[in-house]
Amino acid sequence: AQSVSQHNHHVILSEAASLELGCNYSYGGTVNLFWYVQYPGQHLQLLLKYFSGDPLVKGIKGFEAEFIKSKFSFNLRKPSVQWSDTAEYFCAVNEPISGTYKYIFGTGTRLKVLA
Amino acid sequence: GAGVSQSPSNKVTEKGKDVELRCDPISGHTALYWYRQSLGQGLEFLIYFQGNSAPDKSGLPSDRFSAERTGGSVSTLTIQRTQQEDSAVYLCASSLVGGASTGELFFGEGSRLTVL
Repeated sequence: AQSVSQHNHHVILSEAASLELGCNYSYGGTVNLFWYVQYPGQHLQLLLKYFSGDPLVKGIKGFEAEFIKSKFSFNLRKPSVQWSDTAEYFCAVNEPISGTYKYIFGTGTRLKVLA
Repeated sequence: GAGVSQSPSNKVTEKGKDVELRCDPISGHTALYWYRQSLGQGLEFLIYFQGNSAPDKSGLPSDRFSAERTGGSVSTLTIQRTQQEDSAVYLCASSLVGGASTGELFFGEGSRLTVL
């Protein structure tokens, strides 16, 4: 079965530090990949997504992610974090040709940015 | 509506009681999903609807859990004889199209269930 692994459960950074959150998935075929963010007290919202094409995708608020097929990875990056980036981040995968429409999410990474 | 609406936002119940959680998706969204969010467990897939049918019920934890969707719109998740381990936030999401070309899931605020 498809699975998504997020290696860091809790990350604490100071403002202006660089961020990289790891995400690995298990399926070897064609996948759609997503990062969602949940700010404190708010609902989950899409940060960015990869369907095809350029493996480096840019999302909102200066976030980007790189799809590396050979490593089954879709790591999230931001060069300089802000206090307002404090949130929980979820990686997700959807297999577009398996006949299933299930989005599998990772366990999430809680990011705390210190002002 | 403007977004996915879930009710109740908070539900406290006693062990053994039945609960119903409601989801009103974005108008026109054909796909509807239920997830369960527990501390340290991420988002656990429960069930998916395309229209009124549920092609994938594989995530329902036990036969105490059931869900239905009527009119291609509102969905209800029912938990019978609740147990303490059912305590979690139940999230509903909708999507314009379920399938290979689907994109973003739009989530509701969730229903927080506490079973005493």
